[in-house]
Amino acid sequence: GAVVSQHPSRVICKSGTSVKIECRSLDFQATTMFWYRQFPKQSLMLMATSNEGSKATYEQGVEKDKFLINHASLTLSTLTVTSAHPEDSSFYICSARRGEVNGYTFGSGTRLTVV
Amino acid sequence: QKEVEQNSGPLSVPEGAIASLNCTYSDRGSQSFFWYRQYSGKSPELIMSIYSNGDKEDGRFTAQLNKASQYVSLLIRDSQPSDSATYLCAVMPPSGGSYIPTFGRGTSLIVHP
Repeated sequence: GAVVSQHPSRVICKSGTSVKIECRSLDFQATTMFWYRQFPKQSLMLMATSNEGSKATYEQGVEKDKFLINHASLTLSTLTVTSAHPEDSSFYICSARRGEVNGYTFGSGTRLTVV
Repeated sequence: QKEVEQNSGPLSVPEGAIASLNCTYSDRGSQSFFWYRQYSGKSPELIMSIYSNGDKEDGRFTAQLNKASQYVSLLIRDSQPSDSATYLCAVMPPSGGSYIPTFGRGTSLIVHP
């Protein structure tokens, strides 16, 4: 079945630094990937839609200059949290679409803690 | 605005009982419906998908869809403590749309021994 690998699974960084999170589709080509953020006991919040070879589409209220998304190939999308602050601490999850409508698979998630 | 509503719970059921989880959606043209299970601290995993009115069974899980009433439900038979998790309902927009699913807030299920 479809496998999406996400790294790192957990990261602690200092305030003001940047953190890169990778999302890879291991056995399929993902034309579209999605990045979500989830705070404790809250629902998934879609941050942006990442399309291979083009700019990401950000949801309202998500700062594109703070959350940089790059989807340079059909198997890799990256999310970089720039100048991280403690309020950016959250669970970040990527999801990949196989190309047909119904093939969504989630990565294992990244727990980011900014101290 | 597209909405997917779920009771946040928690829904508490004894081991061996049937757990019934419900979801309503606002976009009448929605075509595809998914149930995800999310354990605490983990990412969601797909457990059921349903596209046509009626029931779809997979092991102890049954998804039920009623497009006229705009609800989809998930039944878990013979509930086990390992089923304790948050269950997310996801709804896909009509064909030709954005292909971005809308998630409900999730229902927390607790299965007690």
